[in-house]
Amino acid sequence: AQKVTQAQTEISVVEKEDVTLDCVYETRDTTYYLFWYKQPPSGELVFLIRRNSFDEQNEISGRYSWNFQKSTSSFNFTITASQVVDSAVYFCALSERIGSQGNLIFGKGTKLSVKP
Amino acid sequence: DGGITQSPKYLFRKEGQNVTLSCEQNLNHDAMYWYRQDPGQGLRLIYYSQIVNDFQKGDIAEGYSVSREKKESFPLTVTSAQKNPTAFYLCASSIALTDTEAFFGQGTRLTVV
Repeated sequence: AQKVTQAQTEISVVEKEDVTLDCVYETRDTTYYLFWYKQPPSGELVFLIRRNSFDEQNEISGRYSWNFQKSTSSFNFTITASQVVDSAVYFCALSERIGSQGNLIFGKGTKLSVKP
Repeated sequence: DGGITQSPKYLFRKEGQNVTLSCEQNLNHDAMYWYRQDPGQGLRLIYYSQIVNDFQKGDIAEGYSVSREKKESFPLTVTSAQKNPTAFYLCASSIALTDTEAFFGQGTRLTVV
């Protein structure tokens, strides 16, 4: 069965600190997609990244970076030099059906609070 | 501006009443989805639609119904059969069902009293 675990329920940091959000997944498929979404207080989910199971290259986008390791079934998300605007709930998600959005399995989310 | 509009943002209903949540998109997306979010929980899929006049049950479809008569619209009805309807409901759309990112609306918080 597929499953996504975000063990950190809440994280609190001070502005400019680096913070890593953990995501561990379970799947029996060799082909799958992993996602990260951000949910600010306004409620909507904002897409951050999609990764397929064949691409283990780490990705960097500004202050955001992602570390995908198939050997440990992890897809961790790091925010460098955090800012107050990064405060949100972050969700990791898994799709087994070649990226089918109709089969997204979400973790329970990690609430990040960045204090000034 | 293109996007997904959910209305209303807050909705109150008496127990035993059916209620319909609106979701409209002007992104010309084929696929649309409804998710439910409970406090401290991830999103769970209720229903999804790949194309007009077609929809499929998700993980927690019991007590809910949908229709997809128009490409732009995917309303969700929470029926009296749903035992615990109070939750935050999110609608999303994507270009197609496969291999694309989903765009989400701002959600509707339903409270049943």
